[in-house]
Amino acid sequence: DGGITQSPKYLFRKEGQNVTLSCEQNLNHDAMYWYRQDPGQGLRLIYYSQIVNDFQKGDIAEGYSVSREKKESFPLTVTSAQKNPTAFYLCASSPTGYQPQHFGDGTRLSIL
Amino acid sequence: ILNVEQSPQSLHVQEGDSTNFTCSFPSSNFYALHWYRWETAKSPEALFVMTLNGDEKKKGRISATLNTKEGYSYLYIKGSQPEDSATYLCARGTGANNLFFGTGTRLTVIP
Repeated sequence: DGGITQSPKYLFRKEGQNVTLSCEQNLNHDAMYWYRQDPGQGLRLIYYSQIVNDFQKGDIAEGYSVSREKKESFPLTVTSAQKNPTAFYLCASSPTGYQPQHFGDGTRLSIL
Repeated sequence: ILNVEQSPQSLHVQEGDSTNFTCSFPSSNFYALHWYRWETAKSPEALFVMTLNGDEKKKGRISATLNTKEGYSYLYIKGSQPEDSATYLCARGTGANNLFFGTGTRLTVIP
């Protein structure tokens, strides 16, 4: 079945450590997105990519980095510069244009 | 920042009742309005994408309307069922199809 796969489901980070969240899609979508959810807040956009080898910052990109080397993959690295990384992270993809986004199941990141 | 507000924050209805929620957004530079349903332990699922003022969309017992001039959208559920229990998210889309989400309306349908 076509869809978006995020891994791992749960991730723990030590202080000063970088961690990478995986997002893979087999929907042949051009655009991919990373969102963060915190309690009591709406989903907020971290980074997005509309085409391979290109990506743009969203509202809360500080402390995060991404790459888009393949159409199917859009990994998110949470760096040590992100001071409050504990959150639920959702990856999404969509065709170009005003199309609905398809979401993965999410990764919950916690600090040890 | 394109603030999207949703109300109510949560509500409980009896099975069989009809209900509706509101999404309000800045009306300037409008591109699209999205509605998603997010059930516990699942991923958000797209319900509707609306782009034109006066748009009305329907999917089974769920329908939505859009007023871009005054900046609001309503989501209606007719004859609520327990399986409709979920958080309903609305989001305003940009020209690049980036989404700015509201905090959602959590619906609980009591059997």
